[in-house]
Amino acid sequence: DGGITQSPKYLFRKEGQNVTLSCEQNLNHDAMYWYRQDPGQGLRLIYYSQIVNDFQKGDIAEGYSVSREKKESFPLTVTSAQKNPTAFYLCASRQSSGNTIYFGEGSWLTVV
Amino acid sequence: AQSVTQLDSHVSVSEGTPVLLRCNYSSSYSPSLFWYVQHPNKGLQLLLKYTSAATLVKGINGFEAEFKKSETSFHLTKPSAHMSDAAEYFCVVSEWNNNDMRFGAGTRLTVKP
Repeated sequence: DGGITQSPKYLFRKEGQNVTLSCEQNLNHDAMYWYRQDPGQGLRLIYYSQIVNDFQKGDIAEGYSVSREKKESFPLTVTSAQKNPTAFYLCASRQSSGNTIYFGEGSWLTVV
Repeated sequence: AQSVTQLDSHVSVSEGTPVLLRCNYSSSYSPSLFWYVQHPNKGLQLLLKYTSAATLVKGINGFEAEFKKSETSFHLTKPSAHMSDAAEYFCVVSEWNNNDMRFGAGTRLTVKP
């Protein structure tokens, strides 16, 4: 089945640690996105990538980093510079010729 | 830049009664508009989308929405609520470049037995 796979579903981070959230898609989509969702709020864009080896900052990129070495993969690293990282993180993708964005199941990150 | 406002943070209905979730948008260009549904601890699932074709759009699970340019609205409706409709609903607007999709804050729908 085609889709977007995020892992892990739940992740705990200690203060000062970097953690990486995985996002893999087998939909052959060109564009991929990372969003952050806080309780009771909408989604905010962290980073997006339209093609391999290229990505742009979204509205809240500070404290995060990404890479796009393969079309299928768009991992997000939450660095120690992100002071309030506890949130639900959603990965999404879209075909360049289309305008519908598809989402993964999300990953919960909690700082302990 | 485009923006979207969901007018109700929480809507509560009884099972079998109509559902109305309200969304107003702002856009400088002809927008594409979407409604997504999110169940607890899950990703977002597309309900329906408007992309400058028919103004009345039918989606999955009996939902539909009407694009009204004069009112800059894209309200989501369903004739009869089901318990399984209880979830968070997001209205989304995007413009021509499609990389700048703006999400509303969400409306939580509660369905009472």
